[in-house]
Amino acid sequence: TQLLEQSPQFLSIQEGENLTVYCNSSSVFSSLQWYRQEPGEGPVLLVTVVTGGEVKKLKRLTFQFGDARKDSSLHITAAQPGDTGLYLCAGVNHQFYFGTGTSLTVIP
Amino acid sequence: GAGVSQSPSNKVTEKGKDVELRCDPISGHTALYWYRQSLGQGLEFLIYFQGNSAPDKSGLPSDRFSAERTGGSVSTLTIQRTQQEDSAVYLCASSFSGQGHYEQYFGPGTRLTVT
Repeated sequence: TQLLEQSPQFLSIQEGENLTVYCNSSSVFSSLQWYRQEPGEGPVLLVTVVTGGEVKKLKRLTFQFGDARKDSSLHITAAQPGDTGLYLCAGVNHQFYFGTGTSLTVIP
Repeated sequence: GAGVSQSPSNKVTEKGKDVELRCDPISGHTALYWYRQSLGQGLEFLIYFQGNSAPDKSGLPSDRFSAERTGGSVSTLTIQRTQQEDSAVYLCASSFSGQGHYEQYFGPGTRLTVT
């Protein structure tokens, strides 16, 4: 089993604050994806990172893939209430291995 | 275009009854996945189909769980003799291929409650 641990599990912050979510594993992945899920819906892909050390930016979201392709981070700058949701990382090695999830609440 | 659809959206059943959950993937997507998600938690992999065959059934929790896919399209997940611990949201996803870095498109899920 290729486990991915996410931290923190729960995060509640004020609008405008910055935050970082971590996704860690002892396994090496060919790529890593981040999804966001809102209540009552399925997860939606935010980004895929492929190369060790890769950094991708999506507006206020910055994603980084670790050099060894075992871990990743998601940094949100100036969080907005619309960022509220469950953030899931998924390591890819012929199939998808999902992390434990980080539930983010941004308070207006 | 149509996304992944799942039915029913909600299912309440009595312990010991059998249930069938349906997934209609996006047309042309060859890979189909079933996951189980407990409240606010990550996704637990159940089974993966490439076309009509299931190369990976390793996530099925017990022999009460089975799944099939016909015509490379619709899939059905069956849970026999349901138990209370089966209560969860069952998510289906499809992708263009089962390999590589392809995006999975998820359905809205079926919320199963076993009383």
